[in-house]
Amino acid sequence: QVQLQESGPGLVKPSQTLSLTCSVSGVSISSGSYYWSWIRQPAGKGLEWIGRIYSSGTTNYNPSLKSRVTISVDTSKNQFSLRLRSVTATDTAVYYCARLLHPDISAGWWLDPWGQGTLVTVSS
Amino acid sequence: QSVLTQPPSVSAAPGQRVTISCSGSSFNIGNNYVSWYQQLPGTAPKVLIYDNDRRPSGIPDRFSGSKFGTSATLGITGLQTGDEADYYCGTWDSSLSGYVFGTGTKVTVL
Repeated sequence: QVQLQESGPGLVKPSQTLSLTCSVSGVSISSGSYYWSWIRQPAGKGLEWIGRIYSSGTTNYNPSLKSRVTISVDTSKNQFSLRLRSVTATDTAVYYCARLLHPDISAGWWLDPWGQGTLVTVSS
Repeated sequence: QSVLTQPPSVSAAPGQRVTISCSGSSFNIGNNYVSWYQQLPGTAPKVLIYDNDRRPSGIPDRFSGSKFGTSATLGITGLQTGDEADYYCGTWDSSLSGYVFGTGTKVTVL
């Protein structure tokens, strides 16, 4: 059973860097046709995809966040991480990590499973 | 700002059927498979449908998906109070080279 768990500070000051880690269990982060993603959701609002990473380190980011985001992977720890620089109050949200599945070129993309999410508040 | 448009809310009585639409473009729905997610209050989203119309194991057949052109639809039959949740469509967007979500639809059981 694949499980993901987010961890990191719940409070970040404006202009600083938000850093979160997603720990994966039940599957090797290096195996299979899997990408690993971060998604966020401000309170009372919809879902926003932040980006994805493959075990090789290849990344894609949401264009609206690309200038401030870095996603990295640590295969030795079976973890991947998110760094979001120069945060403001608008970055306050629940942050989720999830596995992004794409079994083959003829298949679609979907997110499963998701971590439980972690609330990050940007405030001084 | 979401590139996929959903109605803000739908409602029906227990046992009835609801449908949720998801409208996109040729860059996303028109040329990629659609997935659907259920987010119960206070919990993380969970996939209900992938590849337009396929259900993961454990998802009841009351939930169904379809796609035509640049739009997709989620159907829920035999509506139950436990189905009250927010529902999101999602797909890959070839223009943005990223995953995109719909605006979300709140389902209310009357």
